[in-house]
Amino acid sequence: DIQMTQSPSSLSASVGDRVTITCRASQNINKYLNWYQQKPGKAPKLLIYAASTLQSGVPSRFSGRRSGTEFTLTINSLQPEDFATYYCQQSYSTPDTFGRGTKLEIK
Amino acid sequence: QVQLVQSGGAVVQPGGSLRLSCAASGFTFSNSALHWVRQAPVKGLEWLAVISYDGSHQYSADSVKGRFTISRDNSKNTLFLQMNSLRPEDTAVYYCARDHGNYIFRNGLDVWGQGTTVTVSS
Repeated sequence: DIQMTQSPSSLSASVGDRVTITCRASQNINKYLNWYQQKPGKAPKLLIYAASTLQSGVPSRFSGRRSGTEFTLTINSLQPEDFATYYCQQSYSTPDTFGRGTKLEIK
Repeated sequence: QVQLVQSGGAVVQPGGSLRLSCAASGFTFSNSALHWVRQAPVKGLEWLAVISYDGSHQYSADSVKGRFTISRDNSKNTLFLQMNSLRPEDTAVYYCARDHGNYIFRNGLDVWGQGTTVTVSS
C-alpha cells in the first residue's frame, strides 16, 4: 500500500496569513493526489484534484503543487472559514490512502 | 440538485451485520464510480472500498476485506455497503462518495453523503 505522510499535524495561523501543508507519497503516484477540507460534524469537501486542479467553486486562494512525490496545498490570505482540518489522498493505486490530516487553528 | 443521501446506521452488537444504503439523485448514477470512506471518533479518514460504474469491478481495503461488501443497484440509483462480522473497531461515521473521475483514473471524491453512524458495542 502507498503511505501518505502529511505534515504538520496541526498549524496555528492568523486571518490573512499564508499557510502550506505538505504530503509525501511513499512511491510515485504521478499526479493522482487530492486535497480535502473537513469541518467538524461535516463531510469532507474536495478542494483540489490531480495535484493542482481547483475543484469547481473553490476559491482561488487555494492552490496545489507537485514536485516528484511531494505535494503541497497552499492557502493564501487565510479567511475565517478556512480554519478546518485538511487531508490529502492518493488515488493512483488502491487502496486510495489518506494522509493523517492537518488541523488548521486560529492563532 | 446533486446529492447522496445515506441511511442504515445503527447500534449493533459485535459479530452482527448491517447494510448501509446511499441513494443518489441529480446526476447519472450509472456512469459514476462510487466509494465508501469511514471516520472513527476523533480520527482521520479511512478509505474502504470502490465500485465501478456498472458494478463489475470492486476493491476493498484489507481492514474490511472478507467482511464488508460494496455493491450497487443502478435501477434504483443506490449504493450499498454490507457489513458482516462487525467489530468494536468498526465504530465510525461512514460516508459514501462519488468519484470525480472513473474506476481506473480516480480523481477525487466530489460528492459526499451526509454520513451515517455505526456503533458496534455490546
